[in-house]
Amino acid sequence: DGGITQSPKYLFRKEGQNVTLSCEQNLNHDAMYWYRQDPGQGLRLIYYSQIVNDFQKGDIAEGYSVSREKKESFPLTVTSAQKNPTAFYLCASSIQGTTGYTFGSGTRLTVV
Amino acid sequence: EDKVVQSPLSLVVHEGDTVTLNCSYEVTNFRSLLWYKQEKKAPTFLFMLTSSGIEKKSGRLSSILDKKELFSILNITATQTGDSAVYLCAVDVIQGAQKLVFGQGTRLTINP
Repeated sequence: DGGITQSPKYLFRKEGQNVTLSCEQNLNHDAMYWYRQDPGQGLRLIYYSQIVNDFQKGDIAEGYSVSREKKESFPLTVTSAQKNPTAFYLCASSIQGTTGYTFGSGTRLTVV
Repeated sequence: EDKVVQSPLSLVVHEGDTVTLNCSYEVTNFRSLLWYKQEKKAPTFLFMLTSSGIEKKSGRLSSILDKKELFSILNITATQTGDSAVYLCAVDVIQGAQKLVFGQGTRLTINP
């Protein structure tokens, strides 16, 4: 079955450490997205990528980095520069020019 | 700046009641408006609206878009406890690249 896999589901990190969240899709979608969700809030766009080896900053990119070396994969690194990283992170993908977005199950990151 | 605003942010009703959730938007290059239901993890798709005045219906849920006044409503009739969730409104925009802009979400709680 096609879909998006995010891992891990839960992640704990000490302050000052970088951590990488995985997002893999086998839908052959061109575009991939990373969103952050805080309690009581909607989803805010961190980074997105329309094609391999290209990505753009979203609304809250500071303290995050991404790469898109393969079509299937769009990992997100939460760096120590991100001041408030505890949140729920969702990855999504879509076919360019359509509105068929598919979401992963999310990673809940807690900084301890 | 693209903006999507949902109201109310939180709503508590009794089982059997009818609820109306609101979504207004100010975006450039509107493509469509989407409603999602989010219970624990990934948002699940409810409706996509592209044309004004045409109601989309699925069981007890329905939604309509007004592109002149820039808003949409999501109605749920005869609510059940299983309708308790966060309901997210998102607008699909193209500004160079295609992306979803989300509102803050409405947390709906249905009490038995």
